[in-house]
Parts: sequence; C-alpha cells; structure tokens
Amino acid sequence: AQTVTQSQPEMSVQEAETVTLSCTYDTSESNYYLFWYKQPPSRQMILVIRQEAYKQQNATENRFSVNFQKAAKSFSLKISDSQLGDTAMYFCAFMKHGSGGSNYKLTFGKGTLLTVNP
Amino acid sequence: KAGVTQTPRYLIKTRGQQVTLSCSPISGHRSVSWYQQTPGQGLQFLFEYFSETQRNKGNFPGRFSGRQFSNSRSEMNVSTLELGDSALYLCASSRIDSYGYTFGSGTRLTVV
Repeated sequence: AQTVTQSQPEMSVQEAETVTLSCTYDTSESNYYLFWYKQPPSRQMILVIRQEAYKQQNATENRFSVNFQKAAKSFSLKISDSQLGDTAMYFCAFMKHGSGGSNYKLTFGKGTLLTVNP
Repeated sequence: KAGVTQTPRYLIKTRGQQVTLSCSPISGHRSVSWYQQTPGQGLQFLFEYFSETQRNKGNFPGRFSGRQFSNSRSEMNVSTLELGDSALYLCASSRIDSYGYTFGSGTRLTVV
C-alpha cells in the first residue's frame, strides 16, 4: 500500500515571498502520478499541479513548481510570489498507474495549512 | 463549462437513518470517485465508477455503497448511519484519470 506524508501541519509566509511545502511518499511502484491539490475554505479541492513519475523534468504551472526526487520519494511544492488567495490547505496525492491501468484511487497526505500574511 | 455538482450541500441525519448523496460529473467525464474527509482520518477513498462499473473500492464497511447511471451521474448511499459517518463527502470526476480529478464542493453530512 502507498502512503503519503506531509510533515508540516501548518506554515505561514508573507505576501510576495516564496514558500516550499514538503511531501514524501512510500511505494514499490515504478509508474505513478503525483498531484498537489489546494482546498480553500470554500471546501472545493482544486488541482494545482501534476507530475508523471517517468518524467525527470519538474512540472511548473505559473507560480507553482515542484521538486520531484524519485529516488528519495520526495515531491515538494514551491509557491513563488505568494498571494493572499493562496491561503488554503494543501494536499499531496499519489496515484498508481501501470500496464494494467491505474487503480483509479488517489492516496492523500494529511495536508499542510498555508497562511499567506499581508 | 459546469463543474462537478454535488447535492445537497448540507445534510443532517439521525443515527440509524440512511442517506443518499448525488454527484453530477463534468460533461464528458465518465470516471467518478467518492472520498470521505474527516479531521481525524483525512481524505479516504470510498469507490470509483466508470461506465456504471465499480473499478475500485476503499476499506469501508458494506453500509457504504454507490452506483453510477448511464449518464455518468453517481450516487452514494450510507445505511444505518453512525455518528462517525459525520464528514465531508467529496465527489470527483475525470476524463482521463492520469490527468487528475476535478472535485465538487462536497456534501457536509452531520449525524446526530
């Protein structure tokens, strides 16, 4: 079974600064996908960024980028130029994918509550 | 483009009752998943459906069930409600699962 660990329950950052959220995972799979989701107080989970394990290049989406270290099983999220609207709970998630197809299941970490201060 | 729609948004039920939650996926999305979110256990996978077939199921008791209709809309049912079933139930849909799932705003179920 896969596990996802987010070791920082809470973090804060000043507006316009950069912050990095940590995530580690444990799996014996070689083919999988990793995701970061954010959940603001509105409750809706929003996909921030995704990474295919077979790609060495780190994914980026505007101000959001990841540092994917497959050997270390680490998948951190960097938010640049933090904005007040980035305040939310951030979840790291894992999904297995193989020749038989995905198991169609996201395994989530416990989340990191990020607060962006003005 | 309409997002994932979950109804109702809030629900209060009494122990022992049953409840049905509804989820309408994004048009064209045929995969629908359900998750339970609680402060203690976090986000836990309930089940996933594709073309009316359940492809995977999480470790929940048989009181939790679901189904998917031919138009991809999905429902989940919880029978004989317990206080511990109080949670936010999230539905998510995807056209291709590796691209990520789009979530709805959830149904907040309170069991009293």
